[in-house]
Amino acid sequence: RKEVEQDPGPFNVPEGATVAFNCTYSNSASQSFFWYRQDCRKEPKLLMSVYSSGNEDGRFTAQLNRASQYISLLIRDSKLSDSATYLCAVNRGYSTLTFGKGTMLLVSP
Amino acid sequence: EAGVAQSPRYKIIEKRQSVAFWCNPISGHATLYWYQQILGQGPKLLIQFQNNGVVDDSQLPKDRFSAERLKGVDSTLKIQPAKLEDSAVYLCASSAAEGRYGYTFGSGTRLTVV
Repeated sequence: RKEVEQDPGPFNVPEGATVAFNCTYSNSASQSFFWYRQDCRKEPKLLMSVYSSGNEDGRFTAQLNRASQYISLLIRDSKLSDSATYLCAVNRGYSTLTFGKGTMLLVSP
Repeated sequence: EAGVAQSPRYKIIEKRQSVAFWCNPISGHATLYWYQQILGQGPKLLIQFQNNGVVDDSQLPKDRFSAERLKGVDSTLKIQPAKLEDSAVYLCASSAAEGRYGYTFGSGTRLTVV
């Protein structure tokens, strides 16, 4: 099993839709979890951290399920500008993050 | 606050040539990372520095890749000799507080080996 796995997509959704991505991780000792956004030919940018209690930032909600070892990202009321690749990242020791391959989201008018 | 600075932005070299990338992290960030991102893949860690010491270089192909962070600030990643499969974006990142709040990436260097 890979350390961090994501469905590569693409997820094609219309504007205004709600979409959710999951990311599974293999190391049960992982402590830190993040979602990054990466636009085409750009560097990854931190979208949000994922806390045990969940985390919400506007239209974005991130959740952690330790029992099943996955994190999720929910995007409500999708905008065209949300089109990007979403990378999940999980730590595997002293601050080192392992990234998934990313899930591509395409929001259409 | 200034971000992570990387140069050059683009580099095209022939196989078997050497190349070097430079990174200057965010001021005060003790931890610096070099990641390799091949098209369609997630970033893969090459090496992690804490100040000027190496924390993790287990995935660095040491027969051809080397990196240093002599004064605990900026860093250089070198490839010698380059192979076609080294074509990728090389991302530098830095973090404070042991990465508990995530990393900040530089804009990367896009390397094409022909």
